[in-house]
Amino acid sequence: DTAVSQTPKYLVTQMGNDKSIKCEQNLGHDTMYWYKQDSKKFLKIMFSYNNKELIINETVPNRFSPKSPDKAHLNLHINSLELGDSAVYFCASSYRGTNSPLHFGNGTRLTVT
Amino acid sequence: GQQLNQSPQSMFIQEGEDVSMNCTSSSIFNTWLWYKQDPGEGPVLLIALYKAGELTSNGRLTAQFGITRKDSFLNISASIPSDVGIYFCAGQDTGANSKLTFGKGITLSVRP
Repeated sequence: DTAVSQTPKYLVTQMGNDKSIKCEQNLGHDTMYWYKQDSKKFLKIMFSYNNKELIINETVPNRFSPKSPDKAHLNLHINSLELGDSAVYFCASSYRGTNSPLHFGNGTRLTVT
Repeated sequence: GQQLNQSPQSMFIQEGEDVSMNCTSSSIFNTWLWYKQDPGEGPVLLIALYKAGELTSNGRLTAQFGITRKDSFLNISASIPSDVGIYFCAGQDTGANSKLTFGKGITLSVRP
């Protein structure tokens, strides 16, 4: 199936730990994104990569470090997890430019205890 | 920064009714998109609008890109129980590094 797939779907961890979320797309897109959805369902962009190059970096703590080994993958590593990091993280992909809608993965629910 | 306004936060309708959702922005967008999110899943694209004034349909859904490029609406006709979910509008700005800004979403409930 063509899709944006994220792993894991659920991640429960303790404060202070380091964790990673992986994302892969097989849609042939050249741009990938990470969005954070808070408890009020608000979706906010965190990062965007085009062909492995960082092109959007919103005001995100530097404990969050995206890594793109190739244009089909964009992983998110989070250091020293805090309670406020609990949220659903969505990966998305598109072609670069205005007329290319984003396709989203099914999200990773991160719970920090 | 850019903000999209969607209200109310929740809507409750009877099965078979039509419903309209509006989205307004403080700034101009080149593209307007409507997404639906079901529980435990990611947002799924419903309709994309690329030109001011454009009116586009997708089955029972109709959406329009406002002439001022600062607003859009989504209509759902003859609602059914599976229309339940969160509906997000999103605006995309110009340029190669354009990003998508989302409204806060409207949670739609459909009573059978």
